[in-house]
Amino acid sequence: GAGVSQTPSNKVTEKGKYVELRCDPISGHTALYWYRQSLGQGPEFLIYFQGTGAADDSGLPNDRFFAVRPEGSVSTLKIQRTERGDSAMYLCASGYGPGELFFGEGSRLTVL
Amino acid sequence: GENVEQHPSTLSVQEGDSAVIKCTYSDSASNYFPWYKQELGKRPQLIIDIRSNVGEKKDQRIAVTLNKTAKHFSLHITETQPEDSAVYFCAASRTNFGNEKLTFGTGTRLTIIP
Repeated sequence: GAGVSQTPSNKVTEKGKYVELRCDPISGHTALYWYRQSLGQGPEFLIYFQGTGAADDSGLPNDRFFAVRPEGSVSTLKIQRTERGDSAMYLCASGYGPGELFFGEGSRLTVL
Repeated sequence: GENVEQHPSTLSVQEGDSAVIKCTYSDSASNYFPWYKQELGKRPQLIIDIRSNVGEKKDQRIAVTLNKTAKHFSLHITETQPEDSAVYFCAASRTNFGNEKLTFGTGTRLTIIP
């Protein structure tokens, strides 16, 4: 596709459940980022991949959050034992590295 | 780590007037400063960026200035139009390999009054 694609666009789950959010970056982009955005706030960095490896995962809030990018393209953000505080818009972005990031439309997660 | 502060949080200007949004950053090693525009319910999109080797950059009605000594940078929008209404985010990062995460400010909601 032409842009960064994120699925699902909306996810409603119950507290304690497991959630996976998928990001399909722009073809050829080596860098992939996950951000979390709460209402009225700026995007908060979670993790950055350069190729298949996580170059910086310092933004993951705790060990319930994990992300993979096994083939250097599609990435999955995994959240275990979801909590109400995890409710937010999860944004994925891709790029060639330092420079412009192209964001997806996001996955809105609601934990009841 | 990097900390980016952004002011004001909301800004209303009359159509045709100028708007200025200011940001400060804490990491003196940051050398890349983009501005993103996010319309309601949409994804953030880059509108302009500046690197530390220049002090000012212009693109039609928008310009960004950078003061590395004071660690602040600003977005200037001239001749504002209704379609400029959106939330604007500044950000900062290092661009050395392995240190490329963007740290965003908290955003400025800009409203253009027709």
